[in-house]
Amino acid sequence: QVQLQESGPGLLKPSETLSLTCTVSGGSISGYYWGWIRQSPGKGLEWIAYIYYTGSTNYNPSLRSRVTMSVDTSNNQFSLKLTSVTAADTAMYYCARHHMVATVAFDNWGQGTLVTVSS
Amino acid sequence: EIVLTQSPGTLSLSPGERATLSCRASQSVTSTYLAWYQQKPGQAPRLLIYGTSSRATGIPDRFSGSGSGTDFTLTINRLEPEDFAVYYCQQPWTFGQGTKVEIK
Repeated sequence: QVQLQESGPGLLKPSETLSLTCTVSGGSISGYYWGWIRQSPGKGLEWIAYIYYTGSTNYNPSLRSRVTMSVDTSNNQFSLKLTSVTAADTAMYYCARHHMVATVAFDNWGQGTLVTVSS
Repeated sequence: EIVLTQSPGTLSLSPGERATLSCRASQSVTSTYLAWYQQKPGQAPRLLIYGTSSRATGIPDRFSGSGSGTDFTLTINRLEPEDFAVYYCQQPWTFGQGTKVEIK
């Protein structure tokens, strides 16, 4: 059973850059799409971005100007960068694997990491 | 952007009853792209249904999905104590606001 684990700082100041890494264990990152989703009380679940193991990406249009995803197949990791954060970016951030067949669905999730933006 | 509206917001039922959850899209959604998730407090969402009606690995057959176009339904037959949770529908790349199934 594949497992995903998010890592990164939990507290940021406004205007800083959020950097998160998701480490995949128990399976290969190859052959799948991988994504980031966040959840806040005010906005519910929000898809942020996804990346194919080859490196091709797709970003939520509302975040596109601030988001970058990358993949490191040698270390079975993928990452998220979100620039110029504000309090509105405070949320639980999840990394997830896309279903192999139904590639728009997320069939494996990390436990999530809480990111708080506060001065 | 397609908006998914779930109803009701909260469903109060007893164990053993049937739960019927609705997800309505602001535009037609390809059936292949509609998924349902269950989320319990302090946990990540768990995929239940993909492609409108296919159960994900390990999901009991009391969970079923149906629908087409703009109207989709998740049905939970004979609610078990562990089924009381929040349920979300999803299409690329938006989620509904959730339906909470609580114990009556």
